[in-house]
Amino acid sequence: SQQGEEDPQALSIQEGENATMNCSYKTSINNLQWYRQNSGRGLVHLILIRSNEREKHSGRLRVTLDTSKKSSSLLITASRAADTASYFCATPRSMDSSYKLIFGSGTRLLVRP
Amino acid sequence: EAGVAQSPRYKIIEKRQSVAFWCNPISGHATLYWYQQILGQGPKLLIQFQNNGVVDDSQLPKDRFSAERLKGVDSTLKIQPAKLEDSAVYLCASRPLTGNNSPLHFGNGTRLTVT
Repeated sequence: SQQGEEDPQALSIQEGENATMNCSYKTSINNLQWYRQNSGRGLVHLILIRSNEREKHSGRLRVTLDTSKKSSSLLITASRAADTASYFCATPRSMDSSYKLIFGSGTRLLVRP
Repeated sequence: EAGVAQSPRYKIIEKRQSVAFWCNPISGHATLYWYQQILGQGPKLLIQFQNNGVVDDSQLPKDRFSAERLKGVDSTLKIQPAKLEDSAVYLCASRPLTGNNSPLHFGNGTRLTVT
């Protein structure tokens, strides 16, 4: 079952604009992660935010986390054509000795040159 | 650091045939995952290994899917017999056996088309 759901499903912007993607999740978490997937490739880890953090920056990425609303957002500033990809949020589920990462359905971002 | 290696990159088979995928995780990574990603969806976990033991295979269709990780390194995922709905990208990922904040490292996947 999907833990996170991204919104919007698809986003098309002009190069130089900012892109904002949202993620909602269902259960309590100790961290939330964002991954990028270029067409035909595997997923690449972008950033992790812990449950006791509200905001985190990495280069042109800014992630926020609101645990009271069970939601997170990923902001990409000054977007480039190379940012065109699918973006997924993921939340870990730890049960017994297993550590599962459950992914949302993703946001497909198109950055037009 | 070498990444997660998967082969083949592409596979086309007819329904009811069998197929196998191979994964070589990052050296030293104790935990290995197989995910299925249907076009337009997020990855769905099929099975998780820790060293050479299965810790979660609750989402694996065991009537047709099997996986093993002999010697706690390489892993193979097999489908027999394949169905049309098995068409997807099969992603392998690994992570070290450390705390809950270490990310997953993914291979580029095997794209399976069942005709």
